[in-house]
Amino acid sequence: AQRVTQPEKLLSVFKGAPVELKCNYSYSGSPELFWYVQYSRQRLQLLLRHISRESIKGFTADLNKGETSFHLKKPFAQEEDSAMYYCAPDRAGSYQLTFGKGTKLSVIP
Amino acid sequence: EAGVAQSPRYKIIEKRQSVAFWCNPISGHATLYWYQQILGQGPKLLIQFQNNGVVDDSQLPKDRFSAERLKGVDSTLKIQPAKLEDSAVYLCASKGRFPEAFFGQGTRLTVV
Repeated sequence: AQRVTQPEKLLSVFKGAPVELKCNYSYSGSPELFWYVQYSRQRLQLLLRHISRESIKGFTADLNKGETSFHLKKPFAQEEDSAMYYCAPDRAGSYQLTFGKGTKLSVIP
Repeated sequence: EAGVAQSPRYKIIEKRQSVAFWCNPISGHATLYWYQQILGQGPKLLIQFQNNGVVDDSQLPKDRFSAERLKGVDSTLKIQPAKLEDSAVYLCASKGRFPEAFFGQGTRLTVV
């Protein structure tokens, strides 16, 4: 069965500490992977996608096909990073976009 | 560019009543999604349209939920009759040529 797992419901870190939000997936074929973010009282929005290999707001995510993981990382957390983060595999070719259960990141000042 | 518009923003109904939500996607976006997000959970895909055709409705409870996308533009999602467990935020999203999906603000439904 196709599945995406975000093992942590809540992650609390101090400002300036490194952050790693975990995502593991079980998908047939080669899905495209995304991280979406929802800040308080804002719409769900794209943070980054694995194909672009870019850094957005200091966040990066590396696709590890061997471990089927797509963890989101940032070396120094900021208070404005506090939000809900969702890992989202998109089944290639079908545009079917599914979401993990999400991790709430709380950055403590 | 204008974003995805949804209405109403909030709705409170009694169980067994019916309710409808409306979504206006970004102009030119062929793909439209409806998601159900229960408090504390991630968005769950209910139905996906490509233009006015249904691509995936495997998780839509078809005994009470229905959705349509006439003319491949606006879409409506209906629940009839509603149950208490339908209380959730209903999100609409659209996608164009590029893989990024754009989301509306959502409709918060409370069934009492």
